Amino acid sequence: DADVTQTPRNRITKTGKRIMLECSQTKGHDRMYWYRQDPGLGLRLIYYSFDVKDINKGEISDGYSVSRQAQAKFSLSLESAIPNQTALYFCATSDPGTGMSNQPQHFGDGTRLSIL
Amino acid sequence: QKEVEQDPGPLSVPEGAIVSLNCTYSNSAFQYFMWYRQYSRKGPELLMYTYSSGNKEDGRFTAQVDKSSKYISLFIRDSQPSDSATYLCAMTASGNTGKLIFGQGTTLQVKP
Repeated sequence: DADVTQTPRNRITKTGKRIMLECSQTKGHDRMYWYRQDPGLGLRLIYYSFDVKDINKGEISDGYSVSRQAQAKFSLSLESAIPNQTALYFCATSDPGTGMSNQPQHFGDGTRLSIL
Repeated sequence: QKEVEQDPGPLSVPEGAIVSLNCTYSNSAFQYFMWYRQYSRKGPELLMYTYSSGNKEDGRFTAQVDKSSKYISLFIRDSQPSDSATYLCAMTASGNTGKLIFGQGTTLQVKP
């Protein structure tokens, strides 16, 4: 079983619809992240959460919201989807690390989202 | 100017070749450097993780960091068709922020 599971794997929807992408993890990590990947732009951070009560905006949070329901669950919502939100979305997790160190992130297999 | 620049390729090499993948960056605060491999329809998978300058070797893979030049490299020796994937560099500053900055990714094809 995958350590970081994303659902759905694929989704096609229409402009204006509300969409929720879900992420669950069995790695026991406190930190969770949402990224989107676009051709030629790499991965860009949307939101991140260091624990259940801590939610932070990333580089491109406009048009998105998140909910951290539990340590293991972090969902991403598009309240009113628009075509330029068509992309590949990834959830990631990491340990908090110690001191000033940063720990690597571990990714799910993504959700391919198309908005018509 | 992007903080991290990576040649998107595609890069095509014959099996057995030595592959060099590179990233440049502009933020001198970056201290932690990672290389991820991403197969089609899969998430990025961590390959190498290094701190500050120097080399790190793991099997056929060697990661190199030159902080004075703001340049990192990933070398793949004896490349195999199974190495065909997109390779992403990523980096972050100290301070335990958890915020990674990614390059655009380089697509590699190793031909048998």
